[in-house]
Amino acid sequence: GAVVSQHPSWVICKSGTSVKIECRSLDFQATTMFWYRQFPKQSLMLMATSNEGSKATYEQGVEKDKFLINHASLTLSTLTVTSAHPEDSSFYICSASGRGIRGYEQYFGPGTRLTVT
Amino acid sequence: QKEVEQDPGPLSVPEGAIVSLNCTYSNSAFQYFMWYRQYSRKGPELLMYTYSSGNKEDGRFTAQVDKSSKYISLFIRDSQPSDSATYLCALISSGSARQLTFGSGTQLTVLP
Repeated sequence: GAVVSQHPSWVICKSGTSVKIECRSLDFQATTMFWYRQFPKQSLMLMATSNEGSKATYEQGVEKDKFLINHASLTLSTLTVTSAHPEDSSFYICSASGRGIRGYEQYFGPGTRLTVT
Repeated sequence: QKEVEQDPGPLSVPEGAIVSLNCTYSNSAFQYFMWYRQYSRKGPELLMYTYSSGNKEDGRFTAQVDKSSKYISLFIRDSQPSDSATYLCALISSGSARQLTFGSGTQLTVLP
């Protein structure tokens, strides 16, 4: 299957600071990338959908000014958590689909664990 | 009512058992059906993908879709301890810009 990487895999930051998470498609061009949030023992919650070169579409209840998403190229999308607070601590996962990918398949990154102290 | 219902388990089986995992859905617009496996603290891994009613087999895994009953299943034959993970069904409706709607996931433990 296609490979998606995320960096960092784990980050700890202080309350009030900003954190950037990168999502890269390594062997295909990701025309669409998705960002999810997952709490322990719960399923994935879609935060936003981004298409290369366009503004992200955020799901209801997700603050676009707090979770800044940039999808500037066909292989890279970034999620910046601004002014992080302890309640933003979670597991953030990206996924990608696009050229060279069959039909509606989506491939996920390994996730980034964010802890805000 | 959730769009996709999945029994969260947990489910424990002995090694070698046949495992049956299931999801039901309510929206007939769902046209694409996937099963993901997620190990603890890792991203989901795509196992099976199908878009039609019937069975699809890949090694020890068989995905089954019954659109008339809005019921999908994943069968694991000769289960192994390495199959211990959370299994998520994920559905896409036509015209949804490829957005996945996930079930809640079933936690499976295969005991050696």
